[in-house]
Formats: sequence, C-alpha cells, structure tokens
Amino acid sequence: SQQGEEDPQALSIQEGENATMNCSYKTSINNLQWYRQNSGRGLVHLILIRSNEREKHSGRLRVTLDTSKKSSSLLITASRAADTASYFCATDRVQGAQKLVFGQGTRLTINP
Amino acid sequence: NAGVTQTPKFRVLKTGQSMTLLCAQDMNHEYMYWYRQDPGMGLRLIHYSVGEGTTAKGEVPDGYNVSRLKKQNFLLGLESAAPSQTSVYFCAVREVFSGANVLTFGAGSRLTVL
Repeated sequence: SQQGEEDPQALSIQEGENATMNCSYKTSINNLQWYRQNSGRGLVHLILIRSNEREKHSGRLRVTLDTSKKSSSLLITASRAADTASYFCATDRVQGAQKLVFGQGTRLTINP
Repeated sequence: NAGVTQTPKFRVLKTGQSMTLLCAQDMNHEYMYWYRQDPGMGLRLIHYSVGEGTTAKGEVPDGYNVSRLKKQNFLLGLESAAPSQTSVYFCAVREVFSGANVLTFGAGSRLTVL
C-alpha cells in the first residue's frame, strides 16, 4: 500500500509564483524525502528531512515536517519554467527494512 | 542518471513472451531495487536486493523474477508477459548520506505488452 499521499495531484501556476505540495503518510518514519521527475526521466533526489527536524531549506526549496500530523510540505519559491516536473514524497519507515515508499506524485506545471 | 544504466530503454512484447531488463551500476552499492511506475499509482517496489546473491520481494512481486549474480548487476525477468505488466520500470541503488538512505535512479525502461 502507498505510504505517501500527495496533494494536489496536479498544480499549474505562473512563473515567479510559489508552489506548495503536500504529503501525508501513515506510519512512523526515520525521514521523509522529496524527489523530482522530469518527463521521460528517472527520479532525482531533492531534499531529505529527518523525523526530529521541522524545517529544512535548500536553495529555493523549503520542506516542513509535522510528525504529529504525519504530513510534510514542499515549497518551491520563485518558480521557473524548468521546475515543471512531477514531485514525489518518499518515506523511510521505522519498520521499513531499508525500503523507501513513494507517493503518487504531484504534477507541477509552470506557465511562462 | 550517471552510475545506473538500464537496458533496454524501450521494448514491445506480445503476451506470453519473456524478457529480461538489466540494471547495471558502477558505484559498488550493496542495495538495488526494481520499481514500476504506472499512471496514478506512483512507484511500487517489485523486488530488491541487499547484496550479491540475495533478493527479496517487494510490494508487487508476482509475475517477476530477479537475480543478483554479480554485485554490479540486478536483472528483472518476465517469464510470461501479460498486458498488466505494461509499465515503466525503474532501477535504483541505495546510497547512504549521513546515515540516511537515498536512492539514485536509472532513466527507466518502458515496456509495452500487447
């Protein structure tokens, strides 16, 4: 079963705006990660946040984690056309036996 | 996706045919994974390996077999392909950064079963 559930499933915004994607999960985690997938390509790791962290920044990316609500959000600031991609959250579960479990993804479109 | 190479990139099969997907890594990692990606389903783990000579079942293993005879290679086999196995298949290797598991993916293999 899918651990992560992203919403929205699709998001379309204008270039320069901020994009926010959310991820909810069900079981205790060691960390939560976000990956990006450009059309026709493999997934690429973006950022990781550990269960004892609440917020993490990397360039234009900001990730938050609320373990009490079992949810995370990914914020991309000042979006660019090149940010158009699908974004997936993945959880490294405490009982996960070294396996990441991926959500269904959010398809982000940045309009010029 | 330097370091993880999948072959072939595209393949069309008829129902009942067999084939093998090859994943090769040049990074000497122990853990390797095969996922399938379907629209609206995200990525689902098929099989994985924690080292040479070992394999284990993931979330959706039925209809697939795997082998890890050499550390660098992880093979995914379909003995008798079915239309339900039409999908994009991704191989990944696990890297550890500051104690956390992070995956590096190949570019994918698109399989169509008619």
